[in-house]
Amino acid sequence: QKEVEQNSGPLSVPEGAIASLNCTYSDRVSQSFFWYRQYSGKSPELIMSIYSNGDKEDGRFTAQLNKASQYVSLLIRDSQPSDSATYLCAVTEGGNNRLAFGKGNQVVVIP
Amino acid sequence: DAGVTQSPTHLIKTRGQQVTLRCSPKSGHDTVSWYQQALGQGPQFIFQYYEEEERQRGNFPDRFSGHQFPNYSSELNVNALLLGDSALYLCASSLGGGLQFFGPGTRLTVL
Repeated sequence: QKEVEQNSGPLSVPEGAIASLNCTYSDRVSQSFFWYRQYSGKSPELIMSIYSNGDKEDGRFTAQLNKASQYVSLLIRDSQPSDSATYLCAVTEGGNNRLAFGKGNQVVVIP
Repeated sequence: DAGVTQSPTHLIKTRGQQVTLRCSPKSGHDTVSWYQQALGQGPQFIFQYYEEEERQRGNFPDRFSGHQFPNYSSELNVNALLLGDSALYLCASSLGGGLQFFGPGTRLTVL
């Protein structure tokens, strides 16, 4: 079974600091990688997509992909209290666009 | 431009009953995917509909079935409900194999 691992426990960061989230995946055929943000009691919201090795920046968010290491990460710069949420890593399975998700990492930004 | 909509918002059923959940995709999207999210877990892929046919299916029993209508809206049916079916059911829409955007979800509680 294809797996997406997000092993870090809840992450507490002070306001203005950088939050760093990591994700590993087992399916070498995966082509597309996503980060979703999910506020408590709400549905996931797409915040980043990345398809090739390297970094992709969008505002305060940077996604990093390393296909050789099967590793994708998300950096949140200048963290704000509104960034407090669970962040879900998702990858496409095989040649399909069905998404496999990790369990998520909770981020708490402390004012 | 309306986003993905789902109904109902919340639903309470008893074991053995049947339930139907509904989803209308984002305007311009033609593909609907359904996911189940248990508390504290990432979403799990149930199945995907395109051109009124089930194109992909995850590891869910036949009690879970669906349908897509000519207007691209979709239904998820679950028969013989079990306590373990209690979860947030998410619908995601996309244009073919493109980015998936989630609706607000339906919270199902099975007593």
